[in-house]
Amino acid sequence: AQSVTQLDSHVSVSEGTPVLLRCNYSSSYSPSLFWYVQHPNKGLQLLLKYTSAATLVKGINGFEAEFKKSETSFHLTKPSAHMSDAAEYFCVVSDSGRTYKYIFGTGTRLKVLA
Amino acid sequence: DSGVTQTPKHLITATGQRVTLRCSPRSGDLSVYWYQQSLDQGLQFLIQYYNGEERAKGNILERFSAQQFPDLHSELNLSSLELGDSALYFCASSVKGVETQYFGPGTRLLVL
Repeated sequence: AQSVTQLDSHVSVSEGTPVLLRCNYSSSYSPSLFWYVQHPNKGLQLLLKYTSAATLVKGINGFEAEFKKSETSFHLTKPSAHMSDAAEYFCVVSDSGRTYKYIFGTGTRLKVLA
Repeated sequence: DSGVTQTPKHLITATGQRVTLRCSPRSGDLSVYWYQQSLDQGLQFLIQYYNGEERAKGNILERFSAQQFPDLHSELNLSSLELGDSALYFCASSVKGVETQYFGPGTRLLVL
């Protein structure tokens, strides 16, 4: 069965410094992985997805993630944090079978300090 | 804007009552998924419909049911409500054979 583990429940960075949100996955076959962002009182917005093409995936708003099979990781990074990046981020693995249902990590709350 | 709409945005009701949450998927999307987001359980998959048929069930209580109509909109029915059912309920949709799901803004349910 697939699962994802987000290693940090809270991350604080200063504005203009790099962001690293960590995610490890477990899957018995080649997974499809996603990062979503949820701003306060908002829905979930897709940041980026990995579906077995390039291992370095670029997303919206300057975010990117690298799929590392040897480390079973899919960490999310951004070179320079902006105040508007403050939100909750979810790492997701898709049940790439018949249903494609999502299995969510527990989320990482990103705080950006001025 | 994802193109997925959900109504109502907020719902306040009492224990023991029944409510219906509505979701309209993006134009052309045949799959609809329902998720529950609560503080203690996080985001959990409830149920999936594909072109009117139930495709998969997750952690959905027997008091909850759903359906997808011929026009592809979906409804999630929650009955005999308990305090613990208070949560944010999301609907998502996707195209057949494509894994990316697009989420609606959610319905926030408060059971008093």
